Amino acid sequence: DSGVTQTPKHLITATGQRVTLRCSPRSGDLSVYWYQQSLDQGLQFLIQYYNGEERAKGNILERFSAQQFPDLHSELNLSSLELGDSALYFCASSVGSEIETQYFGPGTRLLVL
Amino acid sequence: AQTVTQSQPEMSVQEAETVTLSCTYDTSESDYYLFWYKQPPSRQMILVIRQEAYKQQNATENRFSVNFQKAAKSFSLKISDSQLGDAAMYFCAYRRDDKIIFGKGTRLHILP
Repeated sequence: DSGVTQTPKHLITATGQRVTLRCSPRSGDLSVYWYQQSLDQGLQFLIQYYNGEERAKGNILERFSAQQFPDLHSELNLSSLELGDSALYFCASSVGSEIETQYFGPGTRLLVL
Repeated sequence: AQTVTQSQPEMSVQEAETVTLSCTYDTSESDYYLFWYKQPPSRQMILVIRQEAYKQQNATENRFSVNFQKAAKSFSLKISDSQLGDAAMYFCAYRRDDKIIFGKGTRLHILP
């Protein structure tokens, strides 16, 4: 158990819908990262927040957005969902903002029908 | 643009033997970080080992070690005394600032 929690574990929804994925980092960690793992694209870095501020941005679509709240939990919002958004979404956390060890959560499996 | 390539989609090794997983990357930067992550069937991502590019010494963590060849942009992972619990997908990753890039992964099978 990494100490990073993600909810929900599974999510099934329809195209065009909007969903919110939630992540609670390990106690004491200030950074939260979001990743998407799909069969065809592999593991892609989406976005990083550090202490409430956006720190780094990867291949995140405009339909996706994220935020980190004062209690340091983070939410990833996915809107206007398409079939291709079906994937495993991971959250990871680390103490700082750079290269410290990232601890991954168990992931949220999203299926868009 | 930075890329990370794992040329071996699958590999098998006999239990207790040694196996090396390959990773090459492309970057014009001189200072960056490289990682190997393990993803077992549980889908949990676990950091195996990391290497700072400015360090010439190869990183080692128990049975796991890397062969870091900066000029060749190569970062291979050696697993010694392979165990059944080592069976997993292994991902090589590169990070510099806001660039975090993963390879496509190598699926490692351990044969009893």
